[in-house]
Amino acid sequence: EVQLVESGGGLVQPGGSLRLSCAASGLTVSSNYMSWVRQAPGKGLEWVSVIYSGVTTHYADSVRGRFTISRDNSKNTLYLQMNSLRGEDTAVYYCARGDRSGSPIPVYFGYWGQGALVTVSS
Amino acid sequence: DIQMTQSPSSVSASVGDRVIITCRASQGISTWLAWYQQKPGKAPKLLIYAASSLQSGVPSRFSGSGSGTDFTLTISSLQPEDFATYYCQQANSFPVTFGQGTKLEIK
Repeated sequence: EVQLVESGGGLVQPGGSLRLSCAASGLTVSSNYMSWVRQAPGKGLEWVSVIYSGVTTHYADSVRGRFTISRDNSKNTLYLQMNSLRGEDTAVYYCARGDRSGSPIPVYFGYWGQGALVTVSS
Repeated sequence: DIQMTQSPSSVSASVGDRVIITCRASQGISTWLAWYQQKPGKAPKLLIYAASSLQSGVPSRFSGSGSGTDFTLTISSLQPEDFATYYCQQANSFPVTFGQGTKLEIK
């Protein structure tokens, strides 16, 4: 059974940093397409970042240059390093496994974690 | 970026009703589209991928169609557990984009 468990969320001041973790079981992070998707309170879904094929990464314009996606193969864990945080980054952050199923990009999200809440406020 | 626009933003319906939700892409995306269901406080659940392929374990009352820029999600006979928010998402190019959501409420 696939399980994705996020951790590391919390309250941080504007301009601060936070690192989210997503511990995986039932799948190997290094050989899968792994993304972060966020949802601001009461709002819709916003894709944040993806990592696959070793070191290929993509980011949403809203986080590029501030957020970094990475993984630790030995721990089977996905990370999201978030720097220079802003109020508009306040959201529940989900990690998700993407599938390609023939699509140009591997982003059919069939498995999701339970989410980690990040609140950016002074 | 490809913009995804859903309609309606909300809809009220009764158990047993047939409901159709539409999603329009700002440019052609072939059939590279997914539909998700989300209930309050829960992660989204993949229902449909590649516009019309039913994800394993999803009831057959859910179906998807469309290609190019116009897509639909149809729920043939609403069940109580179907009241939720539905999102479309394009899988054609980065950045990945979602529709704004359609909230399906009980009439």
